[in-house]
Amino acid sequence: DQQVKQNSPSLSVQEGRISILNCDYTNSMFDYFLWYKKYPAEGPTFLISISSIKDKNEDGRFTVFLNKSAKHLSLHIVPSQPGDSAVYFCAAITQIYNQGGKLIFGQGTELSVKP
Amino acid sequence: DTGVSQNPRHKITKRGQNVTFRCDPISEHNRLYWYRQTLGQGPEFLTYFQNEAQLEKSRLLSDRFSAERPKGSFSTLEIQRTEQGDSAMYLCAFNSGRASSGNTIYFGEGSWLTVV
Repeated sequence: DQQVKQNSPSLSVQEGRISILNCDYTNSMFDYFLWYKKYPAEGPTFLISISSIKDKNEDGRFTVFLNKSAKHLSLHIVPSQPGDSAVYFCAAITQIYNQGGKLIFGQGTELSVKP
Repeated sequence: DTGVSQNPRHKITKRGQNVTFRCDPISEHNRLYWYRQTLGQGPEFLTYFQNEAQLEKSRLLSDRFSAERPKGSFSTLEIQRTEQGDSAMYLCAFNSGRASSGNTIYFGEGSWLTVV
């Protein structure tokens, strides 16, 4: 039972354009969402998060949008840079029941930003 | 600075051997987590500690796996009688403890295990 899904295994974008990575979830109890970036042979690096009480959170070039009715979130990267090429994971948690930080991850989307 | 140091970074072992991974927090963290990531999948929760107490274990953590955190500082994850399906990256992680970070988990660089 995949509670967090990233249906696009890969995405290719031209440098300077917008990258949009999508994530869907099924568990309506999730109330906190995170995006991580991962390079090969390294651990995931935290990028940005959003609480379910918000529908948008922005940090520099990164913006996360949350649509609770559709159980969908997306990560926008503008402008995209070649250094953004990596695998991006979305993750979710129910804070009330998971004080232990048990994140549920999607399968990841590999972003390639071409110069 | 990932906040934790993991050793060894890479381990190749023969099937049936035991392996142990170690995680050393760079600064004090009350909560410490272990995750596993296989190729093509996102990280999967294994277990977590609140200080020295192991408070939750995933069903993924079979009886061949054991984790400890003596004195609430460093932690070890041991896999006994390794199988090829254990090949994965084992990730140590922590919660910043800052209220502003909510339940944000920060990961170490990971320990790669290859079972041949």
